[in-house]
Amino acid sequence: EAQVTQNPRYLITVTGKKLTVTCSQNMNHEYMSWYRQDPGLGLRQIYYSMNVEVTDKGDVPEGYKVSRKEKRNFPLILESPSPNQTSLYFCASSRTSGNEQFFGPGTRLTVL
Amino acid sequence: GENVEQHPSTLSVQEGDSAVIKCTYSDSASNYFPWYKQELGKGPQLIIDIRSNVGEKKDQRIAVTLNKTAKHFSLHITETQPEDSAVYFCAASKSNYGQNFVFGPGTRLSVLP
Repeated sequence: EAQVTQNPRYLITVTGKKLTVTCSQNMNHEYMSWYRQDPGLGLRQIYYSMNVEVTDKGDVPEGYKVSRKEKRNFPLILESPSPNQTSLYFCASSRTSGNEQFFGPGTRLTVL
Repeated sequence: GENVEQHPSTLSVQEGDSAVIKCTYSDSASNYFPWYKQELGKGPQLIIDIRSNVGEKKDQRIAVTLNKTAKHFSLHITETQPEDSAVYFCAASKSNYGQNFVFGPGTRLSVLP
């Protein structure tokens, strides 16, 4: 089954404790992206990747890192999480940047 | 950068009526405009999209129109059903190498039986 998977689905952590949210797709897609969703603000793009080893900042990249060492994986790294990073995070992938994006199920992160 | 506005933020319609959601964008170079539906507890899912070389696109009860001059595009849902109740997001993108997606803030549609 074609899908985007994210782990963990729920995470409660404390300020400053490094964490990684994994994202994997099995559709051989070139384009992958991370979004955060906050009430009233919609989906805001954090980082995106056009292909392996090619990443770029979205609209809200501060406090986040990403890497794209393999085509299928695009982890999101929070080196020192803060409470304002409490949000619902979605990973997405598409064949190329101008095509339908397939979203993962979301990761709800709470930073205390 | 690109800015996408979306109206209304909430919309309630009677089952069988039509629903219209409007979006405006700021960057005239944007050329790809998808619409996503998000049901409770799930990730967004594409329902229809349109590219800048087309003025209108239809898929059964759903249609999207694009006015490049005015920089706005709209989602039209006819004969609404309770299962259409969800949050709808529009987005704009320049589908060239290295361009990002910008989403609108969303519209919560409620279809009342």
